[in-house]
Amino acid sequence: KQEVTQIPAALSVPEGENLVLNCSFTDSAIYNLQWFRQDPGKGLTSLLLIQSSQREQTSGRLNASLDKSSGRSTLYIAASQPGDSATYLCAVTGGGNKLTFGTGTQLKVEL
Amino acid sequence: NAGVTQTPKFRVLKTGQSMTLLCAQDMNHEYMYWYRQDPGMGLRLIHYSVGEGTTAKGEVPDGYNVSRLKKQNFLLGLESAAPSQTSVYFCASSSSGTSEKLFFGSGTQLSVL
Repeated sequence: KQEVTQIPAALSVPEGENLVLNCSFTDSAIYNLQWFRQDPGKGLTSLLLIQSSQREQTSGRLNASLDKSSGRSTLYIAASQPGDSATYLCAVTGGGNKLTFGTGTQLKVEL
Repeated sequence: NAGVTQTPKFRVLKTGQSMTLLCAQDMNHEYMYWYRQDPGMGLRLIHYSVGEGTTAKGEVPDGYNVSRLKKQNFLLGLESAAPSQTSVYFCASSSSGTSEKLFFGSGTQLSVL
């Protein structure tokens, strides 16, 4: 059974800092990995989707990498801003097109 | 730019009552999903649909039923609500399954007393 782990569960950083969020998964037989952002009381917004054949994807200040063999992905946020404060979730698509979510990292960027 | 719309946003039920959650998408997506989100457990798939008139069970289907009579709508029903069904429910859609980005609604907070 696929398990997705995100550590730490919560993170607080000062504005302007570059930061890395981590995601690990137990079964490396995945089709893709997605990073989502969830604001309080809101739904999830897909940030980046990395196919299993890719190593990374970039969108603005966000860069996601994927190392399938080691079961790891990172989300790099450059020059963090208070508006980046949210919960970030990763999810992997495995066999049967089943999407398995991690429990998220709650990020707070302080002024 | 409506995207995925869920109604209602909040609901309180008594044990044994029934209700239906409505999800509507305007992106002409084939795939639609219902998830529940509970603290410390991540999102779990309840039911999903790969097209109009089709439905399938997900990870935690017990106590729920679904229908997809129109391509744009996906309904989630609770026939006899239980306190264990207290959760936040999210609907999502995608154009071609989980190989593409999922688009989520803003959620329904359901409390069963």
